[in-house]
Amino acid sequence: GNSVTQMEGPVTLSEEAFLTINCTYTATGYPSLFWYVQYPGEGLQLLLKATKADDKGSNKGFEATYRKETTSFHLEKGSVQVSDSAVYFCAPGAGGYQKVTFGIGTKLQVIP
Amino acid sequence: NAGVTQTPKFQVLKTGQSMTLQCAQDMNHNSMYWYRQDPGMGLRLIYYSASEGTTDKGEVPNGYNVSRLNKREFSLRLESAAPSQTSVYFCATAGVGSYNSPLHFGNGTRLTVT
Repeated sequence: GNSVTQMEGPVTLSEEAFLTINCTYTATGYPSLFWYVQYPGEGLQLLLKATKADDKGSNKGFEATYRKETTSFHLEKGSVQVSDSAVYFCAPGAGGYQKVTFGIGTKLQVIP
Repeated sequence: NAGVTQTPKFQVLKTGQSMTLQCAQDMNHNSMYWYRQDPGMGLRLIYYSASEGTTDKGEVPNGYNVSRLNKREFSLRLESAAPSQTSVYFCATAGVGSYNSPLHFGNGTRLTVT
């Protein structure tokens, strides 16, 4: 099945620093790829997506590019804010008989 | 539009008690999933259901049973709760289209087994 390997945290950054969280995938074919964010005490919510190779997903200042040649989908943000403190998960697409598993996520803490 | 609704939000059980966690969705999605989340362990898949009438084991199915009652509802049952099942449980759904759909999560059930 399709799976991802995600950089483990925790990651601690100062406000306005540049963020990269690495994610690489192993897949049969080219599934859609997603980043999810989980704020304290909440469930996961979709942050951004890319549906095919070379697609760039973006939302709330975060970006990730689906790179076939390096099988990667790294999450980036140019200037993080305290409000970005959360746990971030990378995952392949779901649906049908696809079993979707997650890693432990990457916990980001942004300090003022 | 409620999305994915989990009940209850919180539950405390004693060892050996049983309970059923409920999940209902109004998104007309075919696939439904149960995950548990523990500190330092991330999300682990317990069971999933690709469509009404089918269920399959995930990574950590022992100690749990599931029922896909209809397209909308997917319940998770603990027959004899153990302290190791203390966790936050999330239900998620996905629409039609293998490998292409995002997961939509409920807000979780926080279960403590004493």
